[in-house]
Amino acid sequence: DVVMTQSPLSLPVTLGQPASISCRSSQSLVHSDGNTYLTWFQQRPGQSPRRLIYKVSNRDSGVPDRFSGSGSGTDFTLKISGVEPEDVGVYYCMQGTHWPRTFGQGTKVEIK
Amino acid sequence: EVQLGESGGGLVQPGGSLRLSCAASGFTFSSTWMSWVRQAPGKGLEWMANIKPDGSEKYYVDSVKGRFTISRDNAKSSLYLQMNSLRVEDTAVYYCVRSVWNSIDQWGQGTLVTVSS
Repeated sequence: DVVMTQSPLSLPVTLGQPASISCRSSQSLVHSDGNTYLTWFQQRPGQSPRRLIYKVSNRDSGVPDRFSGSGSGTDFTLKISGVEPEDVGVYYCMQGTHWPRTFGQGTKVEIK
Repeated sequence: EVQLGESGGGLVQPGGSLRLSCAASGFTFSSTWMSWVRQAPGKGLEWMANIKPDGSEKYYVDSVKGRFTISRDNAKSSLYLQMNSLRVEDTAVYYCVRSVWNSIDQWGQGTLVTVSS
């Protein structure tokens, strides 16, 4: 199975400051169709996860533009340009290129 | 509006069985891959199983192969997960999710399954 490794696992951030989460895969996530299926989810406390980013860098409708995704191959990053109070929660990456689909361990974002 | 509503969770003894259901609405269910994802208490997300729109292909994570069966009824816009030989480590919130373009774009609210004696 493809192992997804996130870092850091805990990320205390000052309001308004940027934050960055890394996600590395044990195999390339480039699919035979040419796409790279790397997704980012946000899970706020007590809620179901919500998709933020798909195919590395495509932001979902309604997701603030302070969230951005980048990367290629095995190395990916989620950036928040300026953390807001509603960004508190756990962030997960997930690969959709290989079976079975696998998630990172999650990164907990909290306010300092 | 897309809606996914799980039901069927509860308390079951080790070795027992449970059947989860998911009612879908707001999209063309019969054209969409569907999946189950679970989350143990205080832990991360684990993808369980996928099923093709016509039900002809199914994929499972190794830890549930032979014990869990994913199925669907397109006439009822419903997804199911039959769970047999349940173990304590299967205790989790189970989410019904919509799979689009090798990703997950919609999640249900989840249903809690507790396996305990």
